[in-house]
Amino acid sequence: AQSVTQLDSQVPVFEEAPVELRCNYSSSVSVYLFWYVQYPNQGLQLLLKYLSGSTLVKGINGFEAEFNKSQTSFHLRKPSVHISDTAEYFCAVSETGAGSYQLTFGKGTKLSVIP
Amino acid sequence: GAGVSQSPSNKVTEKGKDVELRCDPISGHTALYWYRQSLGQGLEFLIYFQGNSAPDKSGLPSDRFSAERTGGSVSTLTIQRTQQEDSAVYLCASSLARAGGHNEQFFGPGTRLTVL
Repeated sequence: AQSVTQLDSQVPVFEEAPVELRCNYSSSVSVYLFWYVQYPNQGLQLLLKYLSGSTLVKGINGFEAEFNKSQTSFHLRKPSVHISDTAEYFCAVSETGAGSYQLTFGKGTKLSVIP
Repeated sequence: GAGVSQSPSNKVTEKGKDVELRCDPISGHTALYWYRQSLGQGLEFLIYFQGNSAPDKSGLPSDRFSAERTGGSVSTLTIQRTQQEDSAVYLCASSLARAGGHNEQFFGPGTRLTVL
């Protein structure tokens, strides 16, 4: 079984400032890692994913994340945020291997961008 | 193209009543998932359908919850004798079903259920 911890439930940040949303996971097997974004009254949208290869992955809207196996972390970063980035962000993991499909989500981090 | 759709978008019901929530996946997606999003709890996996295989019901919280998928497409999540703790947003997702677990799940907008 795996678990995901998002250390900050809320993160306020000023517009054009950098932001990092933290995610740590626990698993006894190899995992794939995902970040999803949920805008108000909408479903979840995939921002980026780590499957294999380069540990630095780039996603949509200027976001990137770095997989750190030794730290079991997958923190999300953006160098300069916009008002439109205000949303809730979810980190998720799934086991690798054939037949794996279930996503385990963290509890989410609400990002508020202050003008 | 059309994404995952869910209906109704909002449902208010009285404690003890039954409710049905509907999900229309993306055409051609053989995998379908239901999740529950409760305030402060994140998203919980409820059930997974893949083609004609038996569904994985391991996430259903009680026997009051059930789901079916007709014709490999539309799915209905039914909650019987609703309780106040069932109040949540119920999200449906669908994906292609490639081996390996890295199938992007596309989510619908959710159904917000309020049990009075």
